[in-house]
Amino acid sequence: ELKVEQNPLFLSMQEGKNYTIYCNYSTTSDRLYWYRQDPGKSLESLFVLLSNGAVKQEGRLMASLDTKARLSTLHITAAVHDLSATYFCAVDYNTNAGKSTFGDGTTLTVKP
Amino acid sequence: NAGVTQTPKFRVLKTGQSMTLLCAQDMNHEYMYWYRQDPGMGLRLIHYSVGEGTTAKGEVPDGYNVSRLKKQNFLLGLESAAPSQTSVYFCASRPSGGVSYEQYFGPGTRLTVT
Repeated sequence: ELKVEQNPLFLSMQEGKNYTIYCNYSTTSDRLYWYRQDPGKSLESLFVLLSNGAVKQEGRLMASLDTKARLSTLHITAAVHDLSATYFCAVDYNTNAGKSTFGDGTTLTVKP
Repeated sequence: NAGVTQTPKFRVLKTGQSMTLLCAQDMNHEYMYWYRQDPGMGLRLIHYSVGEGTTAKGEVPDGYNVSRLKKQNFLLGLESAAPSQTSVYFCASRPSGGVSYEQYFGPGTRLTVT
């Protein structure tokens, strides 16, 4: 059974600071996704990481994947209030049916 | 191009009542999924489908049934609602191949069972 663990689960940051969210998973997979969910809204895709060493960046967010360590990181640079949301990582465990296991999410609050 | 849509957006049921949630996608995706989201528990897969006419159980299928008679639609049924089924339900779809593998989510259905 694939387990996906995120930490921290809750993160309160000051604007302008940097921080990293971690996503560990328990079995081999080379497909990992990061999604963002705003309060009361649906999930939207942020990054798709498909191979070891993959790095994707958009704005103040950068995601990376280390399949050997079974670890992905989501790094936040110079946080701004608009980044306040819940971030989920998800890992594929059945490529035939495209099934993913989701972490419990990291709720990020950026304070001025 | 509406993406993934869900009907209804909100619903209140009494224990024992039944209902059907409708998910529709216009992206010609093969794979479709139903999840439930409870506070602090992330998303849990209820049922999924890999194509028209196929369905399979996910992580938490008890108390739910599904059907996929048309490729673009995936229905989730609650036969006899229970308070434990109070949750937010998300439908998602994804293509079966290609470069982009992420799931596309609908707006969600907030269900309360009293």
